[in-house]
Amino acid sequence: KQEVTQIPAALSVPEGENLVLNCSFTDSAIYNLQWFRQDPGKGLTSLLLIQSSQREQTSGRLNASLDKSSGRSTLYIAASQPGDSATYLCAAPFYNQGGKLIFGQGTELSVKP
Amino acid sequence: EAQVTQNPRYLITVTGKKLTVTCSQNMNHEYMSWYRQDPGLGLRQIYYSMNVEVTDKGDVPEGYKVSRKEKRNFPLILESPSPNQTSLYFCASSFTGLNTEAFFGQGTRLTVV
Repeated sequence: KQEVTQIPAALSVPEGENLVLNCSFTDSAIYNLQWFRQDPGKGLTSLLLIQSSQREQTSGRLNASLDKSSGRSTLYIAASQPGDSATYLCAAPFYNQGGKLIFGQGTELSVKP
Repeated sequence: EAQVTQNPRYLITVTGKKLTVTCSQNMNHEYMSWYRQDPGLGLRQIYYSMNVEVTDKGDVPEGYKVSRKEKRNFPLILESPSPNQTSLYFCASSFTGLNTEAFFGQGTRLTVV
């Protein structure tokens, strides 16, 4: 079964700390991997998309990596700020799934001032 | 501004009263889909559409209908809503649904009493 897993489910860090969020997937046959941010009761905001042929993508303080052979992706957040507090979700469309995104359960991040 | 727009944002209805949640995108995307998000179950795909007049079931299609008469719109129809359809619903779109970035609407919080 194709699954996406995120550990830990929740993470609390002090402001200014660098942190890494983890995402693992059971099948390397993915088209890409996408990271999203979700604020409470709100929609999903796309943060970064890594194509299956890429190793990493960067946007500002965010850097996402992808290792298909090990079934892992990480989202690195530099110099965290209270405004980064949100739930972070990773998702991937697997081959032969009609473009369906399979989501992890998310990591709820809290950055304390 | 490129966006996916859902309406309404919030809806409380009674069991059995037909309702439609609208979804519109202005990015000329071919692929559109609907997801529902439930605590402990995460995001699951309801229906998707690869192109105009082409729709197919996702993982949890029971109790829902969709139509894709034009490229920009993809409404979700609940013919006879039941309390187990109380959920947070998201519409999403992307160019191909396979290897392109997915964009999500702001969500519709539906309560069926």
